[in-house]
This record gives sequence, C-alpha cells and structure tokens, in this order.
Amino acid sequence: AQSVAQPEDQVNVAEGNPLTVKCTYSVSGNPYLFWYVQYPNRGLQFLLKYITGDNLVKGSYGFEAEFNKSQTSFHLKKPSALVSDSALYFCAVRDGQAGTALIFGKGTTLSVSS
Amino acid sequence: DTAVSQTPKYLVTQMGNDKSIKCEQNLGHDTMYWYKQDSKKFLKIMFSYNNKELIINETVPNRFSPKSPDKAHLNLHINSLELGDSAVYFCASSQEKRGELFFGEGSRLTVL
Repeated sequence: AQSVAQPEDQVNVAEGNPLTVKCTYSVSGNPYLFWYVQYPNRGLQFLLKYITGDNLVKGSYGFEAEFNKSQTSFHLKKPSALVSDSALYFCAVRDGQAGTALIFGKGTTLSVSS
Repeated sequence: DTAVSQTPKYLVTQMGNDKSIKCEQNLGHDTMYWYKQDSKKFLKIMFSYNNKELIINETVPNRFSPKSPDKAHLNLHINSLELGDSAVYFCASSQEKRGELFFGEGSRLTVL
C-alpha cells in the first residue's frame, strides 16, 4: 500500500524568507512524487514531479523539491517566499507500477506574512 | 480554452435526489479520474478510467456510478443523495497512468 504524510498542518513564514513544506512517503515500488497547490475555491495546480533522474526537481513559480530515497522524503522548497504563495499545498505519490491511483497527503497550509 | 471543465460548479439539492456531474477534457489525455474533497480538504480517489475502461474503483458506495462515453468525457451520477455526500468533487485527467494529473475547478455539492 502507498501513503504520504505531511506532518505540518500549517507553515508560517515571512515574505522574503526561505520556505520548506515537508512530505514523506511510503510505497512498495518506485515512487512517483508530485506537489500541487490549491488556492481557495479553485482546483489543484501541478507544481512539479519526480519520476527518475536528478534528485533536485525544479518546478513552477520558483518552487523546487528534493527527493531523498533514504529518508523517503520529498520536501518542497522555495528560496524566497511571496505573500502570493499563501495557499494549501498537497504532496502526492503513486507507485511506479501502472494502474495505481495518485494518493494525496492531507495538505499543508502555507501562510506568508508581509 | 479550459483544459478540464466540470459542470455544474455548484449543486444544491435535497436528500434522496439523484444528480449528475459532467466532466470534459480537451488535452487529448487517455486517463480520467474523480476525486472527492471533504470539508477538511482531504482528497480521496473514487474512480479512474483509461480509454473508457474502469481501472480504479475505490470503496465507494454503489450509489455512485461513473460513465465514460468516450475518452474525453467522464461523468459521475449519484443516486439517493445523502448528507455525507456533501463535498467538492474534482475531475482530473492525465496523459498516461503515471503522469501528473490536471484538475478541473471542482463541483461543490451540498445536500440538504
């Protein structure tokens, strides 16, 4: 069975400071890892993914994430937070085997203060 | 053009009624999904279709019935609505079973 954990319900950061949103996963096969962002009353927007290759993945809006196999983690990062980054962030995982669903974490609310 | 579009965006109905939500994607993807987001924002997969074939069917009450007339459309019909069905239902699509999902804007269902 696959699962994903986001240990923080909320992350608070000041504008201009670096941000990290944590994610750990469990999957029996090769992990395919994703980050999504959801603004209020909107659908989920894809930010970035890790399938294979370089452990540091760069995505939309200046976000990046680092895949760490030994720690089974895929933390989302950004060097300098913007107020407009405030939103709900979801980590998701699927087993590399075809046919398995994309499973989402419970989400982390990011609040960036000016 | 909206990539994944759902209708209606809002749906308010009484317990016991039957309702449908429609989804269309113009991305040329071959896999489509329905997810349910509850009041705590938790997202749960309900169904997935690949080229009109049902490939994922999670433990969802059989009052929920998906239908895929072609690979660009995936509709969700719900019979005998219950209060607990109130949620936001998201349609999504992906290029293949392993790819990233592209989501619609959601359909907020309120059962009174």
